[in-house]
Amino acid sequence: AQTVTQSQPEMSVQEAETVTLSCTYDTSESDYYLFWYKQPPSRQMILVIRQEAYKQQNATENRFSVNFQKAAKSFSLKISDSQLGDAAMYFCAYRSASTSGTYKYIFGTGTRLKV
Amino acid sequence: SQTIHQWPATLVQPVGSPLSLECTVEGTSNPNLYWYRQAAGRGLQLLFYSVGIGQISSEVPQNLSASRPQDRQFILSSKKLLLSDSGFYLCAWSFGTSGESDTQYFGPGTRLTVL
Repeated sequence: AQTVTQSQPEMSVQEAETVTLSCTYDTSESDYYLFWYKQPPSRQMILVIRQEAYKQQNATENRFSVNFQKAAKSFSLKISDSQLGDAAMYFCAYRSASTSGTYKYIFGTGTRLKV
Repeated sequence: SQTIHQWPATLVQPVGSPLSLECTVEGTSNPNLYWYRQAAGRGLQLLFYSVGIGQISSEVPQNLSASRPQDRQFILSSKKLLLSDSGFYLCAWSFGTSGESDTQYFGPGTRLTVL
């Protein structure tokens, strides 16, 4: 079974600085998707960034970028030029690309980011 | 564009009472729909998912049930609530057969407290 691990329960960053949130996962599959979601105090989950495992290029969305290391099964999120609005819980998630139909996301336990 | 609604936003119910949470999606047809629960300080746990009207798959056996009476409506129910049912319930959708069906988009959530 797949697992997702976020080993940092809490991180702090100063405004305008850069912070990296860690995520590792375990899977025997070769094709899958990885996501980072942000959950602000309102608690609505907001998609931050998406990575397809078959793409070697790291995904980037404005100030957010990932370092995807497929062999190491690592998927870290880098936030550049941190802003107060970045303060939130961040969840890493895994989804199989299999068409067998479970459509299941496996979520990590989250990292609380303080700015 | 697509939007997802959930209601109520907050609910306080006594143990043993029934439950009905509603989720609707606008702006797309035949979406995949999901119910998640998030316990305090924890990640998300998938409860049910649906790929079409009347098609419900359960991930976790419990006293909750789900129904999909219309294409874009997903309902989470219980006949008798337990204390352990307290939590934050999130509905999500993804494209069914086209677009980035791997990506899930979340509603604003319902905070349920069972007393």
